[in-house]
Amino acid sequence: SQQGEEDPQALSIQEGENATMNCSYKTSINNLQWYRQNSGRGLVHLILIRSNEREKHSGRLRVTLDTSKKSSSLLITASRAADTASYFCATFNNAGNMLTFGGGTRLMVKP
Amino acid sequence: NAGVMQNPRHLVRRRGQEARLRCSPMKGHSHVYWYRQLPEEGLKFMVYLQKENIIDESGMPKERFSAEFPKEGPSILRIQQVVRGDSAAYFCASSPVLTGDTEAFFGQGTRLTVV
Repeated sequence: SQQGEEDPQALSIQEGENATMNCSYKTSINNLQWYRQNSGRGLVHLILIRSNEREKHSGRLRVTLDTSKKSSSLLITASRAADTASYFCATFNNAGNMLTFGGGTRLMVKP
Repeated sequence: NAGVMQNPRHLVRRRGQEARLRCSPMKGHSHVYWYRQLPEEGLKFMVYLQKENIIDESGMPKERFSAEFPKEGPSILRIQQVVRGDSAAYFCASSPVLTGDTEAFFGQGTRLTVV
């Protein structure tokens, strides 16, 4: 089974709106990462949040981490059509040698 | 510094043939990971390699699949006697020495189609 599970699986919003995606995981982690994948392309690393951090910002991205609930959220503010992509959360296993991905949230931003 | 390079980008094989997928990690990266992605799904871990060593192959099917990362040259994911179910996108990622803040850098993937 996957370590991370994102919800919703698909999200459709209008340009300018905010998009929120959630991720839940099962085991203890050192950090949690979010990646983006444009259709037919490889994954691009967006942001990493450590287990001792609660919130992190990068441009229009805001990530939160709640280790007590084993969950994280990714917020994209003032979305643009170019934000249309799939977004994945990922965590390393305890041995630190396997980056495990959730099923992803497919975001569509309509112009 | 070139990114992770995968080739070919697209590969078509007939059932029963062999598929060889190549991945050149970023310069200075000694850790390579292979993932498989089916349409509309997430990435499934297959294998983690360091130079000349397979560290974790728990996600790799026991038969027909093998991977290597030689001292010189790219990492190779080899699929023997391909079947239609092997059709997928295969992604390679690399990272430097593992730390608590390691991020992985991905290639553009190889899309394998078995006809």
